[in-house]
Amino acid sequence: EVKLLESGGGLVQPGGSLRLSCVASGFAFSKYAMNWVRQAPGKGLEWVSSISGSDGSTHYTNSVRGRFTISRDNSENTLYLQMNSLRAEDSALYYCAKGFRSASYYADYWGQGALVTVSS
Amino acid sequence: DIQMTQSPSTLSASVGDRVTITCRASQSIDIWLAWFRQKPGTAPQALIFQASDLASGVPSRFSGSGSGTEFTLTISSLQPDDFATYYCHQYTHFPFTFGPGTKVDI
Repeated sequence: EVKLLESGGGLVQPGGSLRLSCVASGFAFSKYAMNWVRQAPGKGLEWVSSISGSDGSTHYTNSVRGRFTISRDNSENTLYLQMNSLRAEDSALYYCAKGFRSASYYADYWGQGALVTVSS
Repeated sequence: DIQMTQSPSTLSASVGDRVTITCRASQSIDIWLAWFRQKPGTAPQALIFQASDLASGVPSRFSGSGSGTEFTLTISSLQPDDFATYYCHQYTHFPFTFGPGTKVDI
């Protein structure tokens, strides 16, 4: 059974940093692309970032490029999202989602999310 | 960036109804479109990928069609579990994008 468990969310001041983690189980983590998707309270889904399972290439939505960094530790089956220079508009529930194949980013399984609140 | 639109934004229906939701992309995405269902307070669940392929474990009352810029999600007989918000999502051109959602309520 595929399981994705996010952690690391919390309350942070504007300009601060947080690192989200997503521990994966039930599949060969290193062989799959992975994604972060967020959802602000009462709003729709917004893709944030993806990382390939084949060559480790990374991709970001425009509003977070240069501030957020996606990475993975295949030895620990863990996906990360380092978030710096946080803004109020980054407040959201952040979902970790498994890709369908190493270079297919279709999100077939999702975690339950980690809540990030950016406020003074 | 590719813009995704959905219609309608809200849909009122009853159990047993046939329901169709439309998604349009601002440029061709071939067949690289997925549909998700999100019930209140829960994570999104994959329903359809590659425009028409049923995700694992998804009931056969869900079907998808389309290619290029116009796509549809059909629920053949609405069940109580299907009162939720539905999102389309293109995953071929970065940055990936989601539609704004269609809320299906009673």
